[in-house]
Amino acid sequence: NAGVTQTPKFQVLKTGQSMTLQCAQDMNHNSMYWYRQDPGMGLRLIYYSASEGTTDKGEVPNGYNVSRLNKREFSLRLESAAPSQTSVYFCASSEEVILSSYNSPLHFGNGTRLTVT
Amino acid sequence: AQSVTQPDIHITVSEGASLELRCNYSYGATPYLFWYVQSPGQGLQLLLKYFSGDTLVQGIKGFEAEFKRSQSSFNLRKPSVHWSDAAEYFCAVGGRGSTLGRLYFGRGTQLTVWP
Repeated sequence: NAGVTQTPKFQVLKTGQSMTLQCAQDMNHNSMYWYRQDPGMGLRLIYYSASEGTTDKGEVPNGYNVSRLNKREFSLRLESAAPSQTSVYFCASSEEVILSSYNSPLHFGNGTRLTVT
Repeated sequence: AQSVTQPDIHITVSEGASLELRCNYSYGATPYLFWYVQSPGQGLQLLLKYFSGDTLVQGIKGFEAEFKRSQSSFNLRKPSVHWSDAAEYFCAVGGRGSTLGRLYFGRGTQLTVWP
């Protein structure tokens, strides 16, 4: 019963390098999300995918791209990493994107700690 | 504008003591409110949620929260804290019919528990 799985757990990049963060969920959820967490800032939404084949910008999308590869997988790509992107990245999923009393809430992965030097 | 304020960045309590973590929100419509807990190295886990009805909601691990519309608050409480409750706690608000991507999170309260 894995839930939401993120890889890698840790990554160090040099400025300008690129990388892709992987996320997969095994709960048959329709919607998936990428957040970043910075000290004292709480969680900020980068991108989300309401359903397979769709993606939308969140609060802080600049510098990132996403791909909803299939229903299970949602990847986050940094094309040219910057020190400002040093953060902990969380992937999450939910049954549906619309918030209602009938829906389960967000289910989070354990995060990827990224450092850009 | 929608927002969540957690006034306390860090709280320290002794094991066995009672706990209250504060959360105030600003939301234009009827809010849906959540408390999440994050243990070190882990993702966020849902503690409890409020959608409607009884304003006192029970959650996992012995936590409860009370919705007070007049005060725009949703404070988290626990009568007797255990050392395993040491973690960071996040309050979040959203609205019925909004997207879960539009859930607004507070900045978090770090809880330290002394033995």
